[in-house]
Amino acid sequence: DAEITQSPRHKITETGRQVTLACHQTWNHNNMFWYRQDLGHGLRLIHYSYGVQDTNKGEVSDGYSVSRSNTEDLPLTLESAASSQTSVYFCASSEGTGLEQYFGPGTRLTVT
Amino acid sequence: ILNVEQSPQSLHVQEGDSTNFTCSFPSSNFYALHWYRWETAKSPEALFVMTLNGDEKKKGRISATLNTKEGYSYLYIKGSQPEDSATYLCAFYHYGGSQGNLIFGKGTKLSVKP
Repeated sequence: DAEITQSPRHKITETGRQVTLACHQTWNHNNMFWYRQDLGHGLRLIHYSYGVQDTNKGEVSDGYSVSRSNTEDLPLTLESAASSQTSVYFCASSEGTGLEQYFGPGTRLTVT
Repeated sequence: ILNVEQSPQSLHVQEGDSTNFTCSFPSSNFYALHWYRWETAKSPEALFVMTLNGDEKKKGRISATLNTKEGYSYLYIKGSQPEDSATYLCAFYHYGGSQGNLIFGKGTKLSVKP
């Protein structure tokens, strides 16, 4: 069965370190998204991609970057982790514009 | 900044009660309206994707309506069951914008007591 996975599921890191969160989908979807979920804010879009070599900034992109070298993967990199980036991160994918999104299980990141 | 408002924030009902939630969104540049169900410790799962004004969709005891002209959608649950306890998110999909295309509301948290 097709799925979307994230790794690691839990990560603790120190301020200033570079961190990469992995997202892998086997749906063969062109569209992939990264969200963060914080109390009082709901899901907020960090970055998104509509295909290989395409990346776009979302509402809260500062301090984050993504790359899309193939259809299956959209890794999210925190260049220099900050305590404000402690959050739960969700990756999602969709088949096309406006269509339902399929979410990964989430990664809980703690920056100390 | 585009906002999606959901009300109420939380709701406690008894098993068997019927209930409904509201999602308000900007009526301009509308593309689609999504409803997701999000159980604790799990990931959001899509319930409905609605695109046309006047759209009504149904899945079992759950249904939704859409009014794109006035910018609102209702989600109805008939005869609530404990397994319906979850947070229900709506998301507004719009054309363009610096925020990206899918804007989520903060959700309505439903608790159903047996």
